Amino acid sequence: KAGVTQTPRYLIKTRGQQVTLSCSPISGHRSVSWYQQTPGQGLQFLFEYFSETQRNKGNFPGRFSGRQFSNSRSEMNVSTLELGDSALYLCASSSGTGYEQYFGPGTRLTVT
Amino acid sequence: AQKVTQAQTEISVVEKEDVTLDCVYETRDTTYYLFWYKQPPSGELVFLIRRNSFDEQNEISGRYSWNFQKSTSSFNFTITASQVVDSAVYFCALSLGPRGYSGAGSYQLTFGKGTKLSVIP
Repeated sequence: KAGVTQTPRYLIKTRGQQVTLSCSPISGHRSVSWYQQTPGQGLQFLFEYFSETQRNKGNFPGRFSGRQFSNSRSEMNVSTLELGDSALYLCASSSGTGYEQYFGPGTRLTVT
Repeated sequence: AQKVTQAQTEISVVEKEDVTLDCVYETRDTTYYLFWYKQPPSGELVFLIRRNSFDEQNEISGRYSWNFQKSTSSFNFTITASQVVDSAVYFCALSLGPRGYSGAGSYQLTFGKGTKLSVIP
């Protein structure tokens, strides 16, 4: 069974631009969560989607948004990028009945 | 609010030594789930174990063992006979599991800051 995949793996953007990250969960998994990892703040929860509905959201500004498609694939969008948005963005999927989350390799975003 | 504390920022051990990574959690909920994840230099978080709040039985998996004690709100992780391949950052995390709106709950994880383990050959 293929794991969680994320694209792109690396991204360099300029301050003020916007970016879209993609995540494909493990086949059959309906829950997708996004996390931001930085050296200073550690791993922080962004949001979670289940069956195309956002059911939980972390404490991030509205510039961070996401969506989930009918095939459970998810995208995360960050508008008006700031230098502080430079981070590793991790996507995790869960079956919806189990409690484990399985993580993808992450997208490393650098904002210059 | 939930909180997970990993007091050890970095640990170095010589290969074949045993090492214990500490994790202390805080939550007012009586039902919760505890996890350990490993993050090698590649960046991907690898799931190691899940423990339910109502199951305090310790677990052993090969060289890995976990000690869950509700009385001290701790969920410690021990690696026996450490190997160089164990070098990574280890994260302890807590989830409240299914609850909340939509009837399906949320799997949001609250992570500790992580412990970087270096195993020296």
